[in-house]
Amino acid sequence: GAGVSQTPSNKVTEKGKYVELRCDPISGHTALYWYRQSLGQGPEFLIYFQGTGAADDSGLPNDRFFAVRPEGSVSTLKIQRTERGDSAVYLCASSLGGGYENIQYFGAGTRLSVL
Amino acid sequence: GDSVTQMEGPVTLSEEAFLTINCTYTATGYPSLFWYVQYPGEGLQLLLKATKADDKGSNKGFEATYRKETTSFHLEKGSVQVSDSAVYFCALTLNNAGNMLTFGGGTRLMVKP
Repeated sequence: GAGVSQTPSNKVTEKGKYVELRCDPISGHTALYWYRQSLGQGPEFLIYFQGTGAADDSGLPNDRFFAVRPEGSVSTLKIQRTERGDSAVYLCASSLGGGYENIQYFGAGTRLSVL
Repeated sequence: GDSVTQMEGPVTLSEEAFLTINCTYTATGYPSLFWYVQYPGEGLQLLLKATKADDKGSNKGFEATYRKETTSFHLEKGSVQVSDSAVYFCALTLNNAGNMLTFGGGTRLMVKP
């Protein structure tokens, strides 16, 4: 079956612009996660959705970052007034539920470059 | 806070050599532990996991044992192949609601024929 799909795979933007990154999880997965991976580092948690609601957004670095999941499936990560420090690979993962026994399946990521 | 520390790479080995990648953790509770692998051009994939002390996770010839006394989860393989070349990430989750993963910095493994 289809895995987690992220689009676009690459995004180049200019400082100050607005960007949207899309994640299409595995069908039937209620939990969805966003992580950010800077060059040479491990992924860092940003936000977790259970269904349509953001159950934990404690990893969002500031109020320029926002994410939605209006129908409990596709999610969009939105970044306003982008800065060069936002350049990273943004990873999405989904799992059947939010419990520790549920494996998270990752997409290939969106590489964001802010010039 | 909770954290994962793993040995820095790159680790360069010849085919059929023995592999160890060290991983230690700090956690406030009793975490579940994972190894994820990222092959070139691909997304993160779960390699193995262990959910309680003394559990051994294994997959594709890789093994790791959850050592509570040393807060470690070292990854081992007896005989590596060129196809094992990838970046390996150790991670934990605190088994609470949400199950967010905390990752180490990753270790790049390069296996030469």
